[in-house]
Amino acid sequence: ILNVEQSPQSLHVQEGDSTNFTCSFPSSNFYALHWYRWETAKSPEALFVMTLNGDEKKKGRISATLNTKEGYSYLYIKGSQPEDSATYLCATRLNAGNNRKLIWGLGTSLAVNP
Amino acid sequence: DADVTQTPRNRITKTGKRIMLECSQTKGHDRMYWYRQDPGLGLRLIYYSFDVKDINKGEISDGYSVSRQAQAKFSLSLESAIPNQTALYFCATSDPDRGTLETQYFGPGTRLLVL
Repeated sequence: ILNVEQSPQSLHVQEGDSTNFTCSFPSSNFYALHWYRWETAKSPEALFVMTLNGDEKKKGRISATLNTKEGYSYLYIKGSQPEDSATYLCATRLNAGNNRKLIWGLGTSLAVNP
Repeated sequence: DADVTQTPRNRITKTGKRIMLECSQTKGHDRMYWYRQDPGLGLRLIYYSFDVKDINKGEISDGYSVSRQAQAKFSLSLESAIPNQTALYFCATSDPDRGTLETQYFGPGTRLLVL
């Protein structure tokens, strides 16, 4: 069974705090790692996709790193704002021919208090 | 206009009824997916289609069927709805040939309640 695990399950921070959470995934046959942001009452929206060990991606105050050898990715939010409140999902894609389906984690639910 | 649309957005039905959820996309993507989301269980794949002639079961296909009417349309049917099919359903698309590493683009979701 191939699992993608995210921690913590939920997180409450104050406005202005920086925070980070983890996505762990099987390191064998790795192809790509995706991060999505899912706001309440909306649909999941792609943030980053990373493939190479050591990849770092950044979008505004949000950044992500990737370690394919040990099978984890970190998502960082610098100076959290209330509008960052959402569930952050990661998903991994394994290199299994043409049927490279996504394996989803359960997400980290972030609440930023003003 | 949204690139991936789903109809209806909300639906209440009774046990035993047949219902269809529809998904349309204007992204020109070949690959389309149906997921359901249940609290605490994350996104689970029901069916996926890599082109009009290629339809595959996902991890939880029992009780569901799909139809890929065209590149832009992918419908999910519940032949005889049961209460444990109450969930939030998402349609998604992806394109493996455009350098996106098959990033998936989601519709707004359909919230289904089976009484």
